[in-house]
Amino acid sequence: DTAVSQTPKYLVTQMGNDKSIKCEQNLGHDTMYWYKQDSKKFLKIMFSYNNKELIINETVPNRFSPKSPDKAHLNLHINSLELGDSAVYFCASSQDQAGTDTQYFGPGTRLTVL
Amino acid sequence: AQTVTQSQPEMSVQEAETVTLSCTYDTSESDYYLFWYKQPPSRQMILVIRQEAYKQQNATENRFSVNFQKAAKSFSLKISDSQLGDAAMYFCASGTYKYIFGTGTRLKVLA
Repeated sequence: DTAVSQTPKYLVTQMGNDKSIKCEQNLGHDTMYWYKQDSKKFLKIMFSYNNKELIINETVPNRFSPKSPDKAHLNLHINSLELGDSAVYFCASSQDQAGTDTQYFGPGTRLTVL
Repeated sequence: AQTVTQSQPEMSVQEAETVTLSCTYDTSESDYYLFWYKQPPSRQMILVIRQEAYKQQNATENRFSVNFQKAAKSFSLKISDSQLGDAAMYFCASGTYKYIFGTGTRLKVLA
């Protein structure tokens, strides 16, 4: 009965590969997010979707493409992985699309690019 | 632009004692919220407490309370009766149309 789940929890891959991270929330929320936490623990928003519509797209390389098949799912696909993509990626959800609402985070996916 | 500053990279507290973590922020928005999240070694981000900027009363959740000084743009977190399970990274965040996080404070609890 996990509220926000992500798969996989760990991902190790070679430079140049393409990989996807999946996220699902069972809270009935309308808005979902992807965050990147770097090696210094700095947490920054990448994307936000509200009811399958992209509403926030930070300055992220276009190798990163989010996809929302329905409002309970938000997946992150990364093409041509680079060493600098190594980080922990968090999915989150909230009822409201504004940043004033409480966000509930998934357990994170640690991506290591070799 | 929104900014959030946590000036204490690391803090230590003796078990059962009280500790205060500092956070300052800057925003031009009039409607915003402030949050403290905890990230234990499991890396799960957990909401500790949130404060609505238009409310003058400081938020409290059991052993956790905030000191919200709106004019000074300060939002500190006080943890009373510290427990070993409080050891974690603590992140302050301000929210308008998106969250902006501070760089975090690592809290160590000494037995």
